[in-house]
Amino acid sequence: AQKVTQAQTEISVVEKEDVTLDCVYETRDTTYYLFWYKQPPSGELVFLIRRNSFDEQNEISGRYSWNFQKSTSSFNFTITASQVVDSAVYFCALSEENFGNEKLTFGTGTRLTIIP
Amino acid sequence: DAEITQSPRHKITETGRQVTLACHQTWNHNNMFWYRQDLGHGLRLIHYSYGVQDTNKGEVSDGYSVSRSNTEDLPLTLESAASSQTSVYFCASSASGRRANTDTQYFGPGTRLTVL
Repeated sequence: AQKVTQAQTEISVVEKEDVTLDCVYETRDTTYYLFWYKQPPSGELVFLIRRNSFDEQNEISGRYSWNFQKSTSSFNFTITASQVVDSAVYFCALSEENFGNEKLTFGTGTRLTIIP
Repeated sequence: DAEITQSPRHKITETGRQVTLACHQTWNHNNMFWYRQDLGHGLRLIHYSYGVQDTNKGEVSDGYSVSRSNTEDLPLTLESAASSQTSVYFCASSASGRRANTDTQYFGPGTRLTVL
């Protein structure tokens, strides 16, 4: 069965510090997809990134970067030079390309607080 | 702009009443999903649909039903509301065909439901 673990329940850092959010997943499929979503205090879920299991290249988007390592089943998310607007709950999610088991499994989320 | 909306945004009801939460998307997406979000559980899938007249049970479907009569709407019905169904409900949609959960899901703003 697929599973996503976000061991960090809450993280607080001072503004401008870098912070890494951990995501570890379990799957028996060779083809799968990983996602990160942001949930700001206003409550909506905002899509950040989608990565398939065949693409292990790290990705950078502005201050955000993602490190995908199949060897450790991890898909970690780093925010560089954090800002107060980064304060949110961040969810990692996994889906398998397995007919009959098509569902998006979420981790329990990491609440990130950026202290001004 | 295309979007996904949910109504009502907040709802208070009594145990035993039937409640229907609306979800409407204007992206012309084939796939639609309902999740509930509870502390400590992240988001869990309730029901999903790959197209008109198609519905499928998710991880926590007991006490809920959906119907899909057109592309734009997937209403979620609580047949007899229970206090355990107090939660925040999110609707989501994604674009393509059968392997729905491998595509990016875009979420509505959520409905906060309280069952007294």
